[in-house]
Amino acid sequence: GQNIDQPTEMTATEGAIVQINCTYQTSGFNGLFWYQQHAGEAPTFLSYNVLDGLEEKGRFSSFLSRSKGYSYLLLKELQMKDSASYLCAVRESNYQLIWGAGTKLIIKP
Amino acid sequence: GAGVSQTPSNKVTEKGKYVELRCDPISGHTALYWYRQSLGQGPEFLIYFQGTGAADDSGLPNDRFFAVRPEGSVSTLKIQRTERGDSAVYLCASRPSAGANVLTFGAGSRLTVL
Repeated sequence: GQNIDQPTEMTATEGAIVQINCTYQTSGFNGLFWYQQHAGEAPTFLSYNVLDGLEEKGRFSSFLSRSKGYSYLLLKELQMKDSASYLCAVRESNYQLIWGAGTKLIIKP
Repeated sequence: GAGVSQTPSNKVTEKGKYVELRCDPISGHTALYWYRQSLGQGPEFLIYFQGTGAADDSGLPNDRFFAVRPEGSVSTLKIQRTERGDSAVYLCASRPSAGANVLTFGAGSRLTVL
C-alpha cells in the first residue's frame, strides 16, 4: 500500500536547528518534495530530491535515502516565521503525488 | 496570470445546495490538479487534467463531484447536493506540463456546508 509518515507536531526554539523526518512506502518513486504551508495559506515549494544525498538551499536542506524510504528536512537558524506545517510528498508516477499529513512546527522565542 | 487564482476564497452553503469552485491556473500551464484538504491533513487528490481532458478522476469521492476544463485553462469543480462532510479547503494546483516537477498551488476555496 501507499503510506507516508511524518510527525504530527514538533516544537523548536528560535535560532536553533530542527530536523523533520518523513518515511514513505509507495508503489513508485519519481522524487520527493517538501512544501511549507502557513495556516490558511497555499502550500509553497521548498525542495525536490530525486537522487540520494543532501540538497542545500540557504537555511533549508533536504536529504533523501531511496533504499531506506526516508527523507528529512533540516531547518537552521530558525525564525518565528518558520512556524508552519511542512508537507512531505512522493511523486509516485509521472503526475501523481502522494502527500503526508504534514508536520506542524511551532517555534518558541 | 502571475499565480494560481481560486474563487471564491470562502463559500458557506446549506446542505443539499449546488456549488461551483473556480480555478484559474498560471498561463500556459497544461497540467491542473484539484485537491481537498481537511484540517491537519495533507492534500487529498481529486482529479488531474492534462489540457482539456481529465486524465485521472479516480480521486473524486462520488458522482456528486464533477470537474471541467473546457478550453484547457480555467477549471471548475462542481459539487451537487452538498453534504456536511464536503466541508474542506479545495486546492487547485498547476504546473507547466506533465513532466515538469513543481506544483504551484492557489490559496484555496474554503467550503463550509451547514
